[in-house]
Amino acid sequence: QKEVEQNSGPLSVPEGAIASLNCTYSDRVSQSFFWYRQYSGKSPELIMSIYSNGDKEDGRFTAQLNKASQYVSLLIRDSQPSDSATYLCAVSGTDKLIFGTGTRLQVFP
Amino acid sequence: DGGITQSPKYLFRKEGQNVTLSCEQNLNHDAMYWYRQDPGQGLRLIYYSQIVNDFQKGDIAEGYSVSREKKESFPLTVTSAQKNPTAFYLCASNIALGEEQYFGPGTRLTVT
Repeated sequence: QKEVEQNSGPLSVPEGAIASLNCTYSDRVSQSFFWYRQYSGKSPELIMSIYSNGDKEDGRFTAQLNKASQYVSLLIRDSQPSDSATYLCAVSGTDKLIFGTGTRLQVFP
Repeated sequence: DGGITQSPKYLFRKEGQNVTLSCEQNLNHDAMYWYRQDPGQGLRLIYYSQIVNDFQKGDIAEGYSVSREKKESFPLTVTSAQKNPTAFYLCASNIALGEEQYFGPGTRLTVT
């Protein structure tokens, strides 16, 4: 069974700090990696995609991928209370995406 | 506007009744998916379809059925055989398997 592991949290950070969310995966042949944000009671929203080793930046978000270590992370700079949500990591499997159970982020003022 | 629509947003049914959840997309995506999410839990894949008239079971297909007669539509039927159907149901689509998926707003089903 291919797996994607995330710490369930909650991860609590003060407003303005950097939030670091981590994800590990078991399938070495995975090629595509995604981060979704899910607010309570809402559906997941895609915020970042990353396909090659290294960093990818989009606004306050940076995704980091290390295929050798089978590790993908999401950094949120200048965290805002509106970033409080559950963040889901997803990894491409043979014929579908495999989702982690998510990390709940709380940003307090 | 392109997107995925799910209806209704909230659905209430009595135990023993079958119920069909609607999912429509106008993104011209080939692949469509149904997930179930329980409170505080991750997404569990019920069924997925890569092309019209073809679909595959996901991890928790028992008690559910689907059809894919049109590219745009992928309805999910929750049958009376599903032992614990109360959950948040999410439909998603993507251009191809392994690519980023986009989600509809979800249907919250309550069975009493």
